[in-house]
Amino acid sequence: AQTVTQSQPEMSVQEAETVTLSCTYDTSENNYYLFWYKQPPSRQMILVIRQEAYKQQNATENRFSVNFQKAAKSFSLKISDSQLGDTAMYFCAFMKPKNNDMRFGAGTRLTVKP
Amino acid sequence: EAGVAQSPRYKIIEKRQSVAFWCNPISGHATLYWYQQILGQGPKLLIQFQNNGVVDDSQLPKDRFSAERLKGVDSTLKIQPAKLEDSAVYLCASRPGGGRIGETQYFGPGTRLLVL
Repeated sequence: AQTVTQSQPEMSVQEAETVTLSCTYDTSENNYYLFWYKQPPSRQMILVIRQEAYKQQNATENRFSVNFQKAAKSFSLKISDSQLGDTAMYFCAFMKPKNNDMRFGAGTRLTVKP
Repeated sequence: EAGVAQSPRYKIIEKRQSVAFWCNPISGHATLYWYQQILGQGPKLLIQFQNNGVVDDSQLPKDRFSAERLKGVDSTLKIQPAKLEDSAVYLCASRPGGGRIGETQYFGPGTRLLVL
């Protein structure tokens, strides 16, 4: 069974600074997908960024980038130039392509301080 | 494009009562999911539909939970009877489901259930 571990329950960062959220996963699959979702307080979950395991290049979306280390089964999210609107729960998720079954980590609560 | 709609947004019931949640996925999305998100945890899959058929309900507590998607569009999740430990946010998600692998799931706002 696939498990996703987010070892940082809470983090905080000053506005305009950079923060990195950690995620590790366990799988015997070779091909899979990884996601970071953002869940603002009392708002719905939205996709931040996704990574396909067969692609070596790390995904980037504006201020959000990942450091994907397949051998180490690590998938961290870097947020540059943090903004107050980045305050949210961040969930790392693993997806098997066979059935698109997704498993989530427990989440990291990020607070951006002014 | 309208997103995933869910209702009600909040529900408070007493234990042993029944409750139902409704979800309308993004138009044209064949695959629909129900997740349970207990406070402080990540979402846990309850059931997955492909059109009006169940793909995976292995984690659905079938003694009290049921779900249907009769016409392959909107879906209802029911709990009967509710227990205190059912207090959670129930999330609905959908994706196109046209056979492509690794499709992104789009989430609704969720229904927050409190069982007293």
